[in-house]
Amino acid sequence: GAVVSQHPSRVICKSGTSVKIECRSLDFQATTMFWYRQFPKQSLMLMATSNEGSKATYEQGVEKDKFLINHASLTLSTLTVTSAHPEDSSFYICSARRQGAFGELFFGEGSRLTVL
Amino acid sequence: QQQVKQSPQSLIVQKGGISIINCAYENTAFDYFPWYQQFPGKGPALLIAIRPDVSEKKEGRFTISFNKSAKQFSLHIMDSQPGDSATYFCAVGYGNKLVFGAGTILRVKS
Repeated sequence: GAVVSQHPSRVICKSGTSVKIECRSLDFQATTMFWYRQFPKQSLMLMATSNEGSKATYEQGVEKDKFLINHASLTLSTLTVTSAHPEDSSFYICSARRQGAFGELFFGEGSRLTVL
Repeated sequence: QQQVKQSPQSLIVQKGGISIINCAYENTAFDYFPWYQQFPGKGPALLIAIRPDVSEKKEGRFTISFNKSAKQFSLHIMDSQPGDSATYFCAVGYGNKLVFGAGTILRVKS
């Protein structure tokens, strides 16, 4: 199956700093990538849709200035949590749709962010 | 408003038994119905998916049953094993969007 890699898998940072999480599709090109957030024992909530070469589309209630998304190439999308606060602590998961494929999404392993 | 309702929240099944998880949706525009399996600290992995033009799809021990008129679909895990213990999410998709159910924590007792 297709592989999506996320880095880092765990990150701890101080309040007020910014953290960047990378999502790479390793063996396919992804014109669209998605960023989800998951709180403990809860479902995945879509934060934004990342389109290669254009601005990301954010879901209602997600601060675009807080969560900066860049989709610089067909294999890489990044999520930057700016001026992180403890309430931003969460599990962030990216997914990617294979170019030309309908429906199927491949998920990364997730990144656990802890803001002290 | 929940776009997809998943039940039960948790499920305990004996080894060798059948695990059944259900999902219901409202919007008939949805045209992709996957199930994902997630282990603690890991991202979800696609288990099996179905499109609305078929009523059932089977892959190994996993079967999706789809009832278009009732707007419901379910996951059946036959011969459940302790290694199947995980959280299972149904999802509904349309275009670029994929909306997840609340999840079901499955525990298979050996």
